[in-house]
Amino acid sequence: NAGVMQNPRHLVRRRGQEARLRCSPMKGHSHVYWYRQLPEEGLKFMVYLQKENIIDESGMPKERFSAEFPKEGPSILRIQQVVRGDSAAYFCASSPLDRATEAFFGQGTRLTVV
Amino acid sequence: GEDVEQSLFLSVREGDSSVINCTYTDSSSTYLYWYKQEPGAGLQLLTYIFSNMDMKQDQRLTVLLNKKDKHLSLRIADTQTGDSAIYFCAESGRGGFKTIFGAGTRLFVKA
Repeated sequence: NAGVMQNPRHLVRRRGQEARLRCSPMKGHSHVYWYRQLPEEGLKFMVYLQKENIIDESGMPKERFSAEFPKEGPSILRIQQVVRGDSAAYFCASSPLDRATEAFFGQGTRLTVV
Repeated sequence: GEDVEQSLFLSVREGDSSVINCTYTDSSSTYLYWYKQEPGAGLQLLTYIFSNMDMKQDQRLTVLLNKKDKHLSLRIADTQTGDSAIYFCAESGRGGFKTIFGAGTRLFVKA
């Protein structure tokens, strides 16, 4: 049973480009969480999704950021028109129920905006 | 709003015990967690404790919770060089999601 898979591990984008981050949850997990980790800081909650539903997006910036978790395929975190301040590590976690006690984290995608 | 605070650095000698402390503000926290992050890796859940418990032990790890003072600690017995990592304290409410993380404590273990 593979763990939570995130790709790419490292992503470099120029200012103004789009970044797409993918997260494949563990087999049998239907809940996905996205977190952002800025340098020297803890993880900040961004969004919680179930299949085809956004449950809580209170941590998502109002503009340029969107997330989806389609019926088939990975969850996608999309950042449009990236800016330098978007440079961070983005972590995805998945769980079988809406309980973080059973959440497992991926290795993260490190986004660098140049 | 909710906040989780922890000291940024801790240095110990190999074989000593390490104690990492954390304070939180949300009195409705239901779950409190300790995660470990090694360089370039994701987070590994080490242990968690329900808010109605005051202690949990798991091999070399001991978690102590003082709910009145909203203080959580992680004790690592017989610390090894492989324990060098960043340790995150975190809390969540009844639903379990939207976990709030501290900034992490960097543990350095000297041989």
